[in-house]
Amino acid sequence: QQQVKQSPQSLIVQKGGISIINCAYENTAFDYFPWYQQFPGKGPALLIAIRPDVSEKKEGRFTISFNKSAKQFSLHIMDSQPGDSATYFCAASPPGGSNYKLTFGKGTLLTVNP
Amino acid sequence: NAGVTQTPKFQVLKTGQSMTLQCAQDMNHEYMSWYRQDPGMGLRLIHYSVGAGITDQGEVPNGYNVSRSTTEDFPLRLLSAAPSQTSVYFCASSLTAWAQNSPLHFGNGTRLTVT
Repeated sequence: QQQVKQSPQSLIVQKGGISIINCAYENTAFDYFPWYQQFPGKGPALLIAIRPDVSEKKEGRFTISFNKSAKQFSLHIMDSQPGDSATYFCAASPPGGSNYKLTFGKGTLLTVNP
Repeated sequence: NAGVTQTPKFQVLKTGQSMTLQCAQDMNHEYMSWYRQDPGMGLRLIHYSVGAGITDQGEVPNGYNVSRSTTEDFPLRLLSAAPSQTSVYFCASSLTAWAQNSPLHFGNGTRLTVT
């Protein structure tokens, strides 16, 4: 299965700071890139998603930036809050892709200190 | 709506024992799947189903069986538990199998320890 490489593995940010999580992919055919957020003791939940026809998508304090030529996409969390502390997974899907073809990154544990 | 319900929340097994992890959803979702989550390994797909009566293998199917006799239920069976199956197991469902219009809805997981 094609890889999605996620970094960093863990991240500590002060309240009010910017959290940045990066993902790189290999398959240039990938055309759907969701991010899932997982709080401790819970299952992941869809946070935000982007398609490669746009370079950026913003929802509140969360922004996905997409660089098709570099085969990279990243999640930016502005004004990070302690409630944002969670594990974040990026993922990628091929064209017409089904959820069983979704490739997940290995996750980033974000801790936002008060 | 309860969403995706997984039982039990915790389970300890001895090597060689068998058990069934239960998963039920009340959203009339066509697609259901099982993942395991291990530290540093992310989410790995075990088995999935695109509808009642249809199942298929994911990335790490060995040692696990599934069946889908109803739309609502998708149990995962461990045939002969091994320590390597110590993990957190998540069931996930979506309205259809198509990723772009059907995000996955995850249960809260079952933490399994095999001694």
